[in-house]
Amino acid sequence: GAVVSQHPSWVICKSGTSVKIECRSLDFQATTMFWYRQFPKQSLMLMATSNEGSKATYEQGVEKDKFLINHASLTLSTLTVTSAHPEDSSFYICSAPGTGRGRDSPLHFGNGTRLTVT
Amino acid sequence: KQEVTQIPAALSVPEGENLVLNCSFTDSAIYNLQWFRQDPGKGLTSLLLIQSSQREQTSGRLNASLDKSSGRSTLYIAASQPGDSATYLCAVPFMGNEKLTFGTGTRLTIIP
Repeated sequence: GAVVSQHPSWVICKSGTSVKIECRSLDFQATTMFWYRQFPKQSLMLMATSNEGSKATYEQGVEKDKFLINHASLTLSTLTVTSAHPEDSSFYICSAPGTGRGRDSPLHFGNGTRLTVT
Repeated sequence: KQEVTQIPAALSVPEGENLVLNCSFTDSAIYNLQWFRQDPGKGLTSLLLIQSSQREQTSGRLNASLDKSSGRSTLYIAASQPGDSATYLCAVPFMGNEKLTFGTGTRLTIIP
């Protein structure tokens, strides 16, 4: 089945530094990828939609200058948390639609990245 | 705005019991509903996807039902096993595309 690989699985960084998270579709092409954030004991909240060949679409309240998204190819999307602060500490998960068509296609998720900012 | 709620938030049952997890959504104009499993510190695994035209979907010991008119879905787990312990999330697409609105989740613990 479709596999989405996310790297790193966890990262600890100091305040003010930037962290890049990669999301790859291993055996299929993904023109669209979704980035979610999950705070402890809360559900997933969509941050942005990554579009191959065009700018990402950000959800309301998400700072696009802080969370930089680049969809470099049909199999790779990256999320860079710039000038990270402790409140950015969270679990970040990417996902991509499978090989089905449109809205009836199940989403496949990466294993997530646990970001801790000290 | 679509809101998705799951009850209960946490559930503990002895091994071998059958159980039902509930999901409700406020906007019944959905294209499908998906159930996921999330293990601690891990990503999501898709369990079942029910199309809007379907009333139920089965996979092994799992059975999911969908009642669009009442805005409800249930996930039935038969003969529960300790390996079923995880957080279960339901999700529906919004804005007519593949973005998902997730429920609040049910943390399930199966007691050996």
